[in-house]
Amino acid sequence: ILNVEQSPQSLHVQEGDSTNFTCSFPSSNFYALHWYRWETAKSPEALFVMTLNGDEKKKGRISATLNTKEGYSYLYIKGSQPEDSATYLCASPSTGGYQKVTFGIGTKLQVIP
Amino acid sequence: SQTIHQWPATLVQPVGSPLSLECTVEGTSNPNLYWYRQAAGRGLQLLFYSVGIGQISSEVPQNLSASRPQDRQFILSSKKLLLSDSGFYLCAWRTTGKLYGYTFGSGTRLTVV
Repeated sequence: ILNVEQSPQSLHVQEGDSTNFTCSFPSSNFYALHWYRWETAKSPEALFVMTLNGDEKKKGRISATLNTKEGYSYLYIKGSQPEDSATYLCASPSTGGYQKVTFGIGTKLQVIP
Repeated sequence: SQTIHQWPATLVQPVGSPLSLECTVEGTSNPNLYWYRQAAGRGLQLLFYSVGIGQISSEVPQNLSASRPQDRQFILSSKKLLLSDSGFYLCAWRTTGKLYGYTFGSGTRLTVV
């Protein structure tokens, strides 16, 4: 079983603060790492797909890095805004395919105006 | 464009009653389809996936079953609901290739009382 861990499970930040959180996964047999943003009452929305060690992806104020050798990914939010409030999920498929994708429990971010 | 429809959005059912949740996909053919559940305080758990009509793989022994009667239709069922079946159910589809993540439906909040 592939264990995907996320920390912290919840986070409160003030508007304008930058923040980051972690997704860790077994580094052996790595295939890909996905980040999703899940707002309350909406569907999870794909943010990034990362496959190569050292990958960095950016979308607006949100960016992510990937270290496949040590088995972690960081998600960064620069200058947090209230609309960034959501649960951020990471997920990793098992070796060789997507039939079994393990999701982390998520980091619930609340940005306080 | 591809879209995924899932209904109902919320459901309150008594213990022992049957369940049927439906998911349909538009704009794609032969999609890989998935049912996930998020129970309180837990991450998304893969319940079933299907790579084609009539093909169902079950990930977790449970009180639920799934069927795929048509290429773009995926149904989650139960003959008799248990309290532990309460949770948030998400249908998802995914294109092949490791650069692509899931597209999720809007989810169903099931409360078994």
